[in-house]
Formats: sequence, structure tokens, C-alpha cells
Amino acid sequence: DVKVTQSSRYLVKRTGEKVFLECVQDMDHENMFWYRQDPGLGLRLIYFSYDVKMKEKGDIPEGYSVSREKKERFSLILESASTNQTSMYLCASSLSGIDNEQFFGPGTRLTVL
Amino acid sequence: GEDVEQSLFLSVREGDSSVINCTYTDSSSTYLYWYKQEPGAGLQLLTYIFSNMDMKQDQRLTVLLNKKDKHLSLRIADTQTGDSAIYFCAESITGGYQKVTFGTGTKLQVIP
Repeated sequence: DVKVTQSSRYLVKRTGEKVFLECVQDMDHENMFWYRQDPGLGLRLIYFSYDVKMKEKGDIPEGYSVSREKKERFSLILESASTNQTSMYLCASSLSGIDNEQFFGPGTRLTVL
Repeated sequence: GEDVEQSLFLSVREGDSSVINCTYTDSSSTYLYWYKQEPGAGLQLLTYIFSNMDMKQDQRLTVLLNKKDKHLSLRIADTQTGDSAIYFCAESITGGYQKVTFGTGTKLQVIP
């Protein structure tokens, strides 16, 4: 059974804190993604990675960075959390191939106070 | 650029058919998808259609693609309370990387 796990389901942080969100997949997928989900805006791509140590900006990378040191792990970093980064964060992975199906983790609901 | 639009909300009675609509802007889409998100969970792929197809049927699900109007729909026959979820339309374009653009999501409420 394929699995994408995220380190926390709920997280509460204070403005200015450094925040790490971890994602691990056990499917040997090349591609990994970080999205944020906000009501009425759907999913917006923050960053993605198509290989170890490779990263590409998505549509809304400002205020975020990522790290991919191992194939199975993709981390999202908020260097200095702000209240407008309160959101649901979803990690996904996919195999490079024809149909691009993405497999999602359960999400991390981050609240920045 | 890519843009995928959906209505935000749909309410149907149990046993009726649901039709969720989506419009997209990029004519070079290769695959179009429907994902389902149940409460408190991530997204899960329901079905997808290749851009050279007009229709795909999978049990209670029927996907219709109108390439001329850039319109995609998902019909759920005999809608059940377990179908209550948010449904996302998405498109992918063959390119240098495996990027998929998601729509805003349609929340389906099934009334018993």
C-alpha cells in the first residue's frame, strides 16, 4: 500500500519562528511536491523536486524554502513564519512517467499566531 | 498560463446524479484528472482522462471532455452520503517536469 506521511497533523507556531514540515514517501518516487490549500483558492504549488538535491519554484515560493537530501524525504521550511502562512500544507509524490498521478499525504494544518 | 476553474459548492439528494464541472485554459493539456478529498485527508485520484478521449466511464463515474470548450465534467450516478467530499479537477501538460495544476475544488454535499 503506497504511503505519503507528514510529520504533524496539526502545528501551532508563533510569528517569526522557523518551521519545518517533513514529508516521507515509501514508493521510490522521483517527484515530490509541496502545496498549500486555502478555502476558495484550491491547491497552490509552493515548490517541487524531481530528484535528490534538485528543487524548482512553484507558483507561490515566497517565504518558503525546501530541502531534499534523500529521495524519500522532502522538507518545507518557513524561515520566519507569518500569520498569512496559516494554512493546510499538503505534500505529494509522483513517479516520472505517463499519467503523472500524484499521491498525497494527509496534510498538516499550520496555525501561526 | 494554466488556470482551472470550478464552482465552489454543489448540493444533491442521496440517490440523485451529481455533475461537477470544470473549465481549463491550457489547450496543450495531456491528462485531466478528478481527485477526491474526504474530510481530514489528503487528495486521492478518482479517475483521469487522456486528452484525445471524449468520455471515460468507471462504475458510477463518468468523465466527459469537451476539448473545443475546454470543459471537463464528472458525473456521479446514484450519489451516496459517502460521496460527500471536495472534488478537484486538475490538468497536466507534457513538459520538462511533472507539474499538475489543480482547480479550486467543488464541495459536494449529499443530503440523505
